[in-house]
Amino acid sequence: AQSVTQPDIHITVSEGASLELRCNYSYGATPYLFWYVQSPGQGLQLLLKYFSGDTLVQGIKGFEAEFKRSQSSFNLRKPSVHWSDAAEYFCAVGSYNNNDMRFGAGTRLTVKP
Amino acid sequence: EAQVTQNPRYLITVTGKKLTVTCSQNMNHEYMSWYRQDPGLGLRQIYYSMNVEVTDKGDVPEGYKVSRKEKRNFPLILESPSPNQTSLYFCASRMDRGVHNEQFFGPGTRLTVL
Repeated sequence: AQSVTQPDIHITVSEGASLELRCNYSYGATPYLFWYVQSPGQGLQLLLKYFSGDTLVQGIKGFEAEFKRSQSSFNLRKPSVHWSDAAEYFCAVGSYNNNDMRFGAGTRLTVKP
Repeated sequence: EAQVTQNPRYLITVTGKKLTVTCSQNMNHEYMSWYRQDPGLGLRQIYYSMNVEVTDKGDVPEGYKVSRKEKRNFPLILESPSPNQTSLYFCASRMDRGVHNEQFFGPGTRLTVL
């Protein structure tokens, strides 16, 4: 069965510092991988996705993620965090043959001034 | 503007009082689903619908019902709510069942069952 693990429940970074949010997945077939952001009081917004090809994918708001098959990971990165990036971030996995997506438990990001 | 809307956004109710949370999308999407979000558990799918009159259970369907009589609407029904259904609920839609299609989420409904 497919599953997603986000090891960090809560991360605090200073504004302007770099960010990396971890995501590990377990899936038998070729996974489709996603990162979503949920701002307070809002629904989820897609940041980026990976299906195939270049393992480094660029998303919106200056985020990027790297797919590492050998490590079953899809970590999200941003070189310089802004206060407006404070939110909850969800990693998700799906596949072409399965209509559902599995979500991780989420990582809450706090940005210090 | 392309969007998924949910109503109400906030609801406090009592055990056993039937309620309906509405969901509507204006993108002509075939696939719609309901999720609940609980701390430490992420989003879990309750029900989904691949098209009009086609619905199926997700991972946590107990205590919920849905219907899909029109393409744009996908209401979530709690016939006899219980406190363990206190949660944040999201409706979502995408073009079709393909996961590669972008999934759009509503703003959420925060439900408290006393």
